[in-house]
Amino acid sequence: DQQVKQNSPSLSVQEGRISILNCDYTNSMFDYFLWYKKYPAEGPTFLISISSIKDKNEDGRFTVFLNKSAKHLSLHIVPSQPGDSAVYFCAASRAGGGADGLTFGKGTHLIIQP
Amino acid sequence: EAQVTQNPRYLITVTGKKLTVTCSQNMNHEYMSWYRQDPGLGLRQIYYSMNVEVTDKGDVPEGYKVSRKEKRNFPLILESPSPNQTSLYFCASSVLGSYEQYFGPGTRLTVT
Repeated sequence: DQQVKQNSPSLSVQEGRISILNCDYTNSMFDYFLWYKKYPAEGPTFLISISSIKDKNEDGRFTVFLNKSAKHLSLHIVPSQPGDSAVYFCAASRAGGGADGLTFGKGTHLIIQP
Repeated sequence: EAQVTQNPRYLITVTGKKLTVTCSQNMNHEYMSWYRQDPGLGLRQIYYSMNVEVTDKGDVPEGYKVSRKEKRNFPLILESPSPNQTSLYFCASSVLGSYEQYFGPGTRLTVT
């Protein structure tokens, strides 16, 4: 069973507009959530994270929102830029500093159109 | 430069021929982990290690072995590779207790 779900395999957004990537989870034990960005032929790189005690975290153009009751989080990118074209993975971790690793979604391929 | 390195980056092998994929990090991280990425499945954890001589199974450990004899190295061993182990493999490391993991560039393995 998939505990972290990214239901949109791909998303196309015009440059300068807002990109919204969604993620749902099923495991109530998850208490920390991360977004990773991946370019072709490279490893994933950390983008932004949020603890379950918060509902929003902002870092420049990137904001992550967490709705615990709905078990849903989203990543907003404003404004979207061509360099944002990549695969974005949502990941979740259980309490304890992630000792048993991260559970990843399948990823969403974001394409920024000029 | 702080980094996680993996070797080789690409490998084509035959069924049953033992192979090792090396992983090394220069950040003095206690925690290291291996993931595999398959189309439509995202990244799945194979094994992880919280320190030297401490390793544990992840979600998909069958067919793999690991060892952690030194803090900086965490090799992934396939004793008898099979075609279903054809995949893209990532090594990652982090400070123990930190959720943020640093990933290597990946190793694309093809088993024929």
